[in-house]
Amino acid sequence: DAGITQSPRHKVTETGTPVTLRCHQTENHRYMYWYRQDPGHGLRLIHYSYGVKDTDKGEVSDGYSVSRSKTEDFLLTLESATSSQTSVYFCATVGTLHNEQFFGPGTRLTVL
Amino acid sequence: AQSVTQLGSHVSVSEGALVLLRCNYSSSVPPYLFWYVQYPNQGLQLLLKYTSAATLVKGINGFEAEFKKSETSFHLTKPSAHMSDAAEYFCAVIKGTSYDKVIFGPGTSLSVIP
Repeated sequence: DAGITQSPRHKVTETGTPVTLRCHQTENHRYMYWYRQDPGHGLRLIHYSYGVKDTDKGEVSDGYSVSRSKTEDFLLTLESATSSQTSVYFCATVGTLHNEQFFGPGTRLTVL
Repeated sequence: AQSVTQLGSHVSVSEGALVLLRCNYSSSVPPYLFWYVQYPNQGLQLLLKYTSAATLVKGINGFEAEFKKSETSFHLTKPSAHMSDAAEYFCAVIKGTSYDKVIFGPGTSLSVIP
């Protein structure tokens, strides 16, 4: 358990509104990730961070941005939410041994 | 390109029966391989991992997996299913130390019938 929390855990919003999801970790892990989980697709990487203010895109980054101003916090922002972004979002970090990932509990986002 | 396939999106077994969940990967070099489990409304947690130390890997809750390079497979097994094993299982692969190259399979939902 890497002490990962996500907030909010559930959110319902309307198309076109901005949304920010927060991930907080207590293990001082360098790498942090945002994934989305959709039926039949497993987990798909949105963005990841390899240090404070160092981020890069994953395979499904369009429509999302991230920021990391502190080691412990990684924010995911949907600038203008669309219905296709309805999903469950997971934050993860990487431990120091053999690239094992630790996951947060997830945020269920519904865009109406 | 790296990819992971999991044969069977849904698997049902009887309680006490053998569990076999299949995972095949494509890679030109020996990767790190993982199995994760996801219980309803929870995040993923690590079941076991292959890191080239041993081809037969034992994990938590009685699960184990065998790395077979010739078959590019990393199937997950458990000799006797328990009701509490009902969950979604994901195989994942990382090539070397490329943290941005974590590839997850689509998942297999395991049901255990009493």
